[in-house]
Amino acid sequence: GENVEQHPSTLSVQEGDSAVIKCTYSDSASNYFPWYKQELGKGPQLIIDIRSNVGEKKDQRIAVTLNKTAKHFSLHITETQPEDSAVYFCAANIQGAQKLVFGQGTRLTINP
Amino acid sequence: DAGVIQSPRHEVTEMGQEVTLRCKPISGHNSLFWYRQTMMRGLELLIYFNNNVPIDDSGMPEDRFSAKMPNASFSTLKIQPSEPRDSAVYFCASSFKGGANTQYFGPGTRLTVL
Repeated sequence: GENVEQHPSTLSVQEGDSAVIKCTYSDSASNYFPWYKQELGKGPQLIIDIRSNVGEKKDQRIAVTLNKTAKHFSLHITETQPEDSAVYFCAANIQGAQKLVFGQGTRLTINP
Repeated sequence: DAGVIQSPRHEVTEMGQEVTLRCKPISGHNSLFWYRQTMMRGLELLIYFNNNVPIDDSGMPEDRFSAKMPNASFSTLKIQPSEPRDSAVYFCASSFKGGANTQYFGPGTRLTVL
């Protein structure tokens, strides 16, 4: 079945620097790749997503890139701020359908 | 917009007791998902419904777990009997099938089985 690998598991960056989180997936039929941010005690919140007909998508300080050939996608956060500290999850849909498989998460810490 | 509503937010029970978790999806959404989150296994899908019909329950761990969706605005996840290894945070999410299929998560129910 689909397997989503996420790296790194923890990431610490200085405020103002950039952060990059990478994911790989195994199902070549996957065509939807969302990223979620989870703060302590809350549910995952969608921050950005990308579909297989697009290679890159940006929303202010957040961007996601997708390489379908290599089966990997990445989250880029620029000009990081303390409120960016959270756990981030990538996901991919199975067989191009609704079911999502999630990566193991990356705990991002922004140091002031 | 209310978002996905889950209740209770916290549940502490003793082994062997029945536990019922509740979810109200976003109005207008026609797909509902139940997830479980633990440190060891991460975020895993238990079951999902389309138009109140269960589509895939392959993630339900065993017969002690059951889920229902009697109407478009309500779903339950029941564990009977509960065991300590069921302790986890349970999330409900909803989406509009046929649209962007984006899943929106509720705040979760933290279950502790003693």
